[in-house]
Amino acid sequence: DTAVSQTPKYLVTQMGNDKSIKCEQNLGHDTMYWYKQDSKKFLKIMFSYNNKELIINETVPNRFSPKSPDKAHLNLHINSLELGDSAVYFCASSHGADGYTFGSGTRLTVV
Amino acid sequence: KNEVEQSPQNLTAQEGEFITINCSYSVGISALHWLQQHPGGGIVSLFMLSSGKKKHGRLIATINIQEKHSSLHITASHPRDSAVYICAVGGNQFYFGTGTSLTVIP
Repeated sequence: DTAVSQTPKYLVTQMGNDKSIKCEQNLGHDTMYWYKQDSKKFLKIMFSYNNKELIINETVPNRFSPKSPDKAHLNLHINSLELGDSAVYFCASSHGADGYTFGSGTRLTVV
Repeated sequence: KNEVEQSPQNLTAQEGEFITINCSYSVGISALHWLQQHPGGGIVSLFMLSSGKKKHGRLIATINIQEKHSSLHITASHPRDSAVYICAVGGNQFYFGTGTSLTVIP
């Protein structure tokens, strides 16, 4: 059983489109995250979310929005995709001092 | 200047060597994380620590809160340890180092 699963694994889309990446965790963790890893392999946190609080990295454009239908899911919606959005997006979850569990990543390519 | 600095950026070692990767940070934190990213891209959380030392198998992580410094040690290194090791610190914000690329040669 995959602990943190992301879909799709690969996503190729045209500029201007709207797309979503889904994330689900079956660990019972209370906090979920989205990270972006750019072409230079530099990781940056985009959002952290638990059932009480959404923390947004202020550098993230408002074209990106997290949606959490329930505690086990945190989906990432991206509007009006731009070339610079091409990256690998990682979902992760955590609970207290247990550390993080990462999804396998979604490689987004905007053409 | 990055909030989190790692050294070295690249490291090549012979199998069996003792390896140390360093992380220094300049912000207040509640926890420091060591992550491992394999060539296939997957990320694994190795340690989360806020004080002292943790050990898991051949991996040891230490942190000195006063000096704002952490080290990741790998004993008896093996080619399967080849990966990028990333230090990340968190508090109100979350910051990542740029990673240390480790290659262990048989």
